[in-house]
Amino acid sequence: QSVLTQPPSVSGAPGQRVTISCTGSSSNIGAGYDVHWYQQLLGTAPKLLIYANNNRPSGVPDRFSGSKSGTSASLAITGLQAEDEADYYCQSYDRSLSWVFGAGTKLTVV
Amino acid sequence: QMQLVQSGAEVKKTGSSVKISCKASGNPFIYRYLHWVRQAPGQALEWMGWITPFDGNTNHAQKFQDRVTITRDRSMSTVYMELSSLRSEDTAMYYCARGNEGGDYFEYWGQGTLVTVSS
Repeated sequence: QSVLTQPPSVSGAPGQRVTISCTGSSSNIGAGYDVHWYQQLLGTAPKLLIYANNNRPSGVPDRFSGSKSGTSASLAITGLQAEDEADYYCQSYDRSLSWVFGAGTKLTVV
Repeated sequence: QMQLVQSGAEVKKTGSSVKISCKASGNPFIYRYLHWVRQAPGQALEWMGWITPFDGNTNHAQKFQDRVTITRDRSMSTVYMELSSLRSEDTAMYYCARGNEGGDYFEYWGQGTLVTVSS
């Protein structure tokens, strides 16, 4: 069971906006630790998508954005494209001295 | 641009050990955390531990405390992860990943090494 809670799946049509939630607790997100997001395309290694809640690494389209409030965070994807179909993971740090992940959310572009 | 290149797939027997390597090139290597993260088939990512290549300090997730050993060869810019007493539940893709300067996220990832454990 993952420390951070994500919905198992979300879906949207091309061009639509989808959001993926990530809920933690007072020992991780609620303790002030940043949330980061990774995109994992089928059969590949995860790739950093959003860091420190709402920052995009170079090369990541501005269709991807993140936010954080209290013990939760969200990833938003606007203008959905077929190539966005992937698994998305949130990650934070926990006071138990460990890096923690969500269980992952499978995004389907219908 | 940093690159992390891992060793190839392994097939191991239950109760044995596996040692995976991760060779770094490009951006500064020795002053950042180098983590190991695994992913069982169809499952979530799971953090295992880290090493700081500069001084060899390590830390592990409590779950793997007695079974995982992370080492480094500074001259070869290579980090190793050895997992002992393998069981079927250890069948997974194992990734090395370099941490950012602040140490709280994973900036670059290796391509992954598949370890299959069977009796």
